[in-house]
Amino acid sequence: GEDVEQSLFLSVREGDSSVINCTYTDSSSTYLYWYKQEPGAGLQLLTYIFSNMDMKQDQRLTVLLNKKDKHLSLRIADTQTGDSAIYFCAEYPRGSARQLTFGSGTQLTVLP
Amino acid sequence: DTGVSQDPRHKITKRGQNVTFRCDPISEHNRLYWYRQTLGQGPEFLTYFQNEAQLEKSRLLSDRFSAERPKGSFSTLEIQRTEQGDSAMYLCASSLGTVGGDSPLHFGNGTRLTVT
Repeated sequence: GEDVEQSLFLSVREGDSSVINCTYTDSSSTYLYWYKQEPGAGLQLLTYIFSNMDMKQDQRLTVLLNKKDKHLSLRIADTQTGDSAIYFCAEYPRGSARQLTFGSGTQLTVLP
Repeated sequence: DTGVSQDPRHKITKRGQNVTFRCDPISEHNRLYWYRQTLGQGPEFLTYFQNEAQLEKSRLLSDRFSAERPKGSFSTLEIQRTEQGDSAMYLCASSLGTVGGDSPLHFGNGTRLTVT
């Protein structure tokens, strides 16, 4: 989606933290989501954050939201090889006719 | 399995043929969405249903595409006179009520279409 931007690739070593970044353009976005897609599969919802929050933690996942800069990040602690996948951020703008707008995805590769 | 189910998983067809895909949403979900995903891109919205009513269609949905959800349960997406540019993964998703933190979209595994 042209309104949501992500870097294409990220490589980390197993056990390190991964940080995947996303910028969005619609300041009215109410919810922001992170999805994970493994090869040949659909999208799995990982976590989400409401626009009135700055941070949300869910086990190994931490989402940070900077509304001023329209920047969203997903931090994965203690990254494992099973975390290798494509990660999509998505926004749900206020007033949107019931659709999510996705970024192009970040391919995370976890090296042993 | 109570997730979103799509059939078939893969479809190879010759240009000009018609194809139909099926999606069975999570049973209590009243909203059903179709997205298209091409290689290296995120999913792009095509259309969505609230129960049996089709409430929005993207400009991506040309007149060769038609979607139905006749009884408010499963949905079909038909593509007529397929073109090579239709080759993509077609994803179905469902949700309960309004999209939001407590009603996120749940996706199926998709139907991969290849038009030769």
